[in-house]
Amino acid sequence: DQQVKQNSPSLSVQEGRISILNCDYTNSMFDYFLWYKKYPAEGPTFLISISSIKDKNEDGRFTVFLNKSAKHLSLHIVPSQPGDSAVYFCAASEIRGSTLGRLYFGRGTQLTVWP
Amino acid sequence: GAVVSQHPSWVICKSGTSVKIECRSLDFQATTMFWYRQFPKQSLMLMATSNEGSKATYEQGVEKDKFLINHASLTLSTLTVTSAHPEDSSFYICSSEGGKETQYFGPGTRLLVL
Repeated sequence: DQQVKQNSPSLSVQEGRISILNCDYTNSMFDYFLWYKKYPAEGPTFLISISSIKDKNEDGRFTVFLNKSAKHLSLHIVPSQPGDSAVYFCAASEIRGSTLGRLYFGRGTQLTVWP
Repeated sequence: GAVVSQHPSWVICKSGTSVKIECRSLDFQATTMFWYRQFPKQSLMLMATSNEGSKATYEQGVEKDKFLINHASLTLSTLTVTSAHPEDSSFYICSSEGGKETQYFGPGTRLLVL
């Protein structure tokens, strides 16, 4: 039962343009969302996160948008760079006290940024 | 962010042997660590939550007698795949709790069982 879904397995974008990666979730108890970047044969690297009390969080070229009513979030990368080419995982969790609960991951989207 | 290491990074073994994977938090103490498994083109699936000084909590469908987890110290958790078979071939990744912000992931261990 996939509680976090990334319906696009791949995305190809030209350098300098915007990359938009989408993620949907089904569990309304999730209140914290994260994006990870992963290269082959490496562990995921934390990119950016957002809590359910916000609808936008920005960090440099990366912005995450959250639409709670639609149970949808997206990651915007602008401008896209070739070094951004990787698999991007969306993850969701519940905050429990001072720590995150278990993470639920989507299947990932392979982003390719071409020159 | 915090640094998590895994050893070994690659394992190739014969069917029926046991394989131990170590996960270390290098610059902080982790009461809780997590073990994930990723099959090709699939998402990371949580196998178990490893708690320092107590028994691990396994996810549904994960055999605790086959995937032995030991979290003997605040900086080390081990996963032992007992009597490994080809269907256990996968990418195993550990992570440590990082407060309310995130989890910090190790680089992963690729296991190939012949």
